[in-house]
Amino acid sequence: DQQVKQNSPSLSVQEGRISILNCDYTNSMFDYFLWYKKYPAEGPTFLISISSIKDKNEDGRFTVFLNKSAKHLSLHIVPSQPGDSAVYFCAASEGGGNKLTFGTGTQLKVEL
Amino acid sequence: SAVISQKPSRDICQRGTSLTIQCQVDSQVTMMFWYRQQPGQSLTLIATANQGSEATYESGFVIDKFPISRPNLTFSTLTVSNMSPEDSSIYLCSVEFGNYEQYFGPGTRLTVT
Repeated sequence: DQQVKQNSPSLSVQEGRISILNCDYTNSMFDYFLWYKKYPAEGPTFLISISSIKDKNEDGRFTVFLNKSAKHLSLHIVPSQPGDSAVYFCAASEGGGNKLTFGTGTQLKVEL
Repeated sequence: SAVISQKPSRDICQRGTSLTIQCQVDSQVTMMFWYRQQPGQSLTLIATANQGSEATYESGFVIDKFPISRPNLTFSTLTVSNMSPEDSSIYLCSVEFGNYEQYFGPGTRLTVT
């Protein structure tokens, strides 16, 4: 049972444009959501997170939006840069100190 | 955040043998986790390893197959026992400092032949 889903396995965007990565979840007990970026042969790198009491969180070029009623979150990267090319995972947890449930990942390619 | 290292970074092992993976953190942390990423798959939690208590295993993972040690607040090991080709994966440790955010080590890429 895949509780966190990323339905787009890949996304291609031109440099300077907006990248939008989507994530859906089914478990209503999730109350914290995170995005990670992963390069080949490296561990996931934490990008940005959002608590379920918020609907938006920004950090520089990265913004995460949460729609609790739709059980949907998205990561916006503006402007996209070639160095952003990586696999992006969304993850969710039921409170702190608990396991992260990961989505299947979206391969982002930012083209020149 | 924290600096997290893992040893070995990669290994090729024969079936039936065991491999111990080390995870070292540059600061004291209560909560450590071990994950597995099988080829083409997402990350799956194997167990939670908090110092001072027995590791807690997720459904589908057992201590006999994946024994874990947590001798202090900066170090943990995961052993993959009696390996089979299905154990070929990337194994990752992570830590959390109580702020809901987990930080990951670089991973250990294991290939079982």
